[in-house]
Amino acid sequence: GQQVMQIPQYQHVQEGEDFTTYCNSSTTLSNIQWYKQRPGGHPVFLIQLVKSGEVKKQKRLTFQFGEAKKNSSLHITATQTTDVGTYFCAGRAGGTSYGKLTFGQGTILTVHP
Amino acid sequence: DAGITQSPRHKVTETGTPVTLRCHQTENHRYMYWYRQDPGHGLRLIHYSYGVKDTDKGEVSDGYSVSRSKTEDFLLTLESATSSQTSVYFCAISPGQGSTEAFFGQGTRLTVV
Repeated sequence: GQQVMQIPQYQHVQEGEDFTTYCNSSTTLSNIQWYKQRPGGHPVFLIQLVKSGEVKKQKRLTFQFGEAKKNSSLHITATQTTDVGTYFCAGRAGGTSYGKLTFGQGTILTVHP
Repeated sequence: DAGITQSPRHKVTETGTPVTLRCHQTENHRYMYWYRQDPGHGLRLIHYSYGVKDTDKGEVSDGYSVSRSKTEDFLLTLESATSSQTSVYFCAISPGQGSTEAFFGQGTRLTVV
C-alpha cells in the first residue's frame, strides 16, 4: 500500500535559523498537503500542492512538490518560537483511492530562543 | 473551526471491553477519517469513509471496525480493547475532490488498562 515517509523525525534549531522537512511517497500522488500541529492540539491544514514541480510560499514558509509527484519539502526561513510544533505531510493517491489520505510520521520542530 | 465534534474526549477502559468513539460533523462533507496518533508514528489511518455505508481500511485497521449510517456520524469501535490501542484518536473530515483539505476534531485520549 501507499507509504509516506518523512524526515527528519526531530529538528532542534536556534531562533533565526532555517528549517527543512522532507516527504517521500512510495507511489505517485494526486496531491500533497501539509499540516501543522501545535503541542497538545490537533493538526491544522497549511497548504495543498497539486501540480508537478509546484512551489508555493506563505510568508516565511516555502512548499515544493517534486517533478515526479512523489516527494515534497517544507522550508521555513528564519524560524521563530511560534513555529514550534509538528509538521506533517499527507498524500492522496489517484483514481479510486483518492479518498485515502496518508500522513507521514511528522517532523517535530523545537525552536530555542 | 469546522463543525466537527468527537466524543468522548477522554476515556479509560479495561482490557477486553468494547469501546465506541463517535465523530459528528455539521459540514455535510463527503469524506470522514479515523486516525490514531502515537509517539514516533505520526498519524496512522485506521479507516475512512467516502459516503454513507461506504468505508475502507487504512494501514492499521486490525482490531477496529467503523460504521457510517448517516452523513454526519462516523463511529469507530474497538471490539475488544487491548493495551496496544491506548492512543489519541483523531477524526477528520474532508469535502471531496476539488477541495480536499482535512479538518480535524479535537481528539479522544483513550487509555486501556
